[in-house]
Amino acid sequence: EVQLLESGGGLEQPGGSLRLSCATSGFTFSNYDMNWVRQAPGKGLEWVSVISASGGTTYYADSVKGRFTISRDNSKNTLYLQMNSLRVEDTAVYYCAKDQRTGIMTKNNCFDPWGQGTLVTVSS
Amino acid sequence: QSVLTQPPSASGTPGQRVTISCSGSSSTIGSNIVNWYQQLPGTAPKLLIYSNNQRPSGVPDRFSGSKSGTSASLAISGLQSEDEADYYCAAWDDSLNGWVFGGGTKLTVL
Repeated sequence: EVQLLESGGGLEQPGGSLRLSCATSGFTFSNYDMNWVRQAPGKGLEWVSVISASGGTTYYADSVKGRFTISRDNSKNTLYLQMNSLRVEDTAVYYCAKDQRTGIMTKNNCFDPWGQGTLVTVSS
Repeated sequence: QSVLTQPPSASGTPGQRVTISCSGSSSTIGSNIVNWYQQLPGTAPKLLIYSNNQRPSGVPDRFSGSKSGTSASLAISGLQSEDEADYYCAAWDDSLNGWVFGGGTKLTVL
């Protein structure tokens, strides 16, 4: 069974940093592109970032570009999101999500499954 | 404001058929596949429809998807109380080089 388990969320002040982790199991992690998607309290879903299976290609939403960095450790089956220069508007539940299929372009893929999420609160 | 446009709410009675629309542009739905996600209250989103009209295993055939031009639709037939959830469409945006979501539609079963 595929499992994704996020951790690292918590309360941080504006301008601070946090690193989220997504530990995975049940599939060959190094074969799949991985994503971060967030959801502000009471709001809709917002895609944050994607990283290719090898880690060589990344894309970011404009709202986090230059502040967040996605990375992965294929030896540890773990996905990361380094969040710097945090803003109040970054407050959200952060989900990691696996691309459903391997070997196709991420734009032709979908998110399946999703982790249970970790809450990040940015507040003074 | 979301790049993809969905109605904020929809409703129906048990057994009815409801549809949820998702409107995009030439750089989103017009060029790429559409996926739909279901989010039950208090839970993580779950894949419902992928590649415009494909159902993952385990998703009832009451759920169907379609796409035409720059718009897509999700149809739910034989509505059941457990279908009460938020539904989101998503597509890749060639201009932004990233995924975009609709604002979500809250489905109420009356």
